[in-house]
Amino acid sequence: GENVEQHPSTLSVQEGDSAVIKCTYSDSASNYFPWYKQELGKGPQLIIDIRSNVGEKKDQRIAVTLNKTAKHFSLHITETQPEDSAVYFCAASMAAGNKLTFGGGTRVLVKP
Amino acid sequence: GAVVSQHPSWVICKSGTSVKIECRSLDFQATTMFWYRQFPKQSLMLMATSNEGSKATYEQGVEKDKFLINHASLTLSTLTVTSAHPEDSSFYICSARHRVKNTEAFFGQGTRLTVV
Repeated sequence: GENVEQHPSTLSVQEGDSAVIKCTYSDSASNYFPWYKQELGKGPQLIIDIRSNVGEKKDQRIAVTLNKTAKHFSLHITETQPEDSAVYFCAASMAAGNKLTFGGGTRVLVKP
Repeated sequence: GAVVSQHPSWVICKSGTSVKIECRSLDFQATTMFWYRQFPKQSLMLMATSNEGSKATYEQGVEKDKFLINHASLTLSTLTVTSAHPEDSSFYICSARHRVKNTEAFFGQGTRLTVV
């Protein structure tokens, strides 16, 4: 089955700096790669996703890149703010709406 | 739109008892719902896939007789933890796939189960 590795497990950045989280996956059949933000005691919230026919996608301060050949994808957050502090998860699946395999998570702390 | 609600948000039960968690899609129909479990400071792990009107598909290592899943309608799936033990204490999260739209599955807010 699919295996998703996520790095780093913790990330501390100064407010205004950028944060980058990287994930690799094992199943070349995966075509859908979402990123979730999870705050304490809450369910995961989709922040951005990318499909395999696209190499990059951007939404304001958040961007995701995908390299299907190398089987890795990354989340980039620019101009970080304290409210960006949370746990972020990458995931992979065959298609949007299918079951997800999650990475281990990255705890991001944005210091004011 | 696309709201998924879980009930209860948190529950405490005694060891040996059973507890039922509901997952509802409030404004759309969902033929498929997914149940995940998340232990403290860990990732989400898929437990089972629930399809309306048929038996759930369980992931390897998940006891189907312990975690009973029922998906009786297009808007409701339930997870019953039977004979709960302290090691079942976890955060249970469901997600629901829209019956028609080709979009991501939408997550509920999660249910914190504590078995004492």
